[in-house]
Amino acid sequence: EIVLTQSPGTLSLSPGERATVSCRASQSVSSNSLGWYQQKAGQAPRLLIYGASSRATGIPDRFSGSGSGTDFTLTISRLEPEDFGVYYCQQYGGSSITFGQGTRLDIK
Amino acid sequence: EVQLMESGGGLVQPGGSLTLSCAASGFAFSNFAMNWVRQAPGKGLEWVSSITSSGAYKYYADSLKGRLTISRDNAENLFYLRMNGLTVEDTAIYYCARGIGNHLKYYLDSWGQGTLITVSS
Repeated sequence: EIVLTQSPGTLSLSPGERATVSCRASQSVSSNSLGWYQQKAGQAPRLLIYGASSRATGIPDRFSGSGSGTDFTLTISRLEPEDFGVYYCQQYGGSSITFGQGTRLDIK
Repeated sequence: EVQLMESGGGLVQPGGSLTLSCAASGFAFSNFAMNWVRQAPGKGLEWVSSITSSGAYKYYADSLKGRLTISRDNAENLFYLRMNGLTVEDTAIYYCARGIGNHLKYYLDSWGQGTLITVSS
């Protein structure tokens, strides 16, 4: 099983700032099969990024994903008030699906 | 518009069983793999089970294997998760989600709102 470790655990930023979330895999993720999800309190997760860098339908271009192998990054270029919540990475290149433990993005 | 709606959650005693359902609409259900993901209170996401579009292949998390049965009815646009031998550790919101990809290499592009299972005596 591929273990995903996200950092930091919590990020406190202000609207307009840049947010960077890291996801490190315990082994190489084949075909860059990595996704990012946003979850707001009381809501279901929402797909943001798939294939490490492809934005899902309707996702603003301030969200971007990058990386390969074992190191991946989600960047939000200029935070909007609605961007605060918890972010998860997910790998789907291994023998099972696994998620990172989540990164909470709080308003500073 | 893709819509997924879970049902079947509730309070169940330890050792009990439950079947969750997910009703799908707004897309060609029989063309997509479907998945269950759970989230314990205040915790992160945990993949539970997946089923291919035809239902021919079924996948389960190792930690839950033996207690779960996933199935689907493509004629009715429904899919299910039967859970046996429930313990307090199974208390969670259970989400159904549509999978894009092949044979467990899925990302999850649409999610239901979830149904809560509470295991307690």
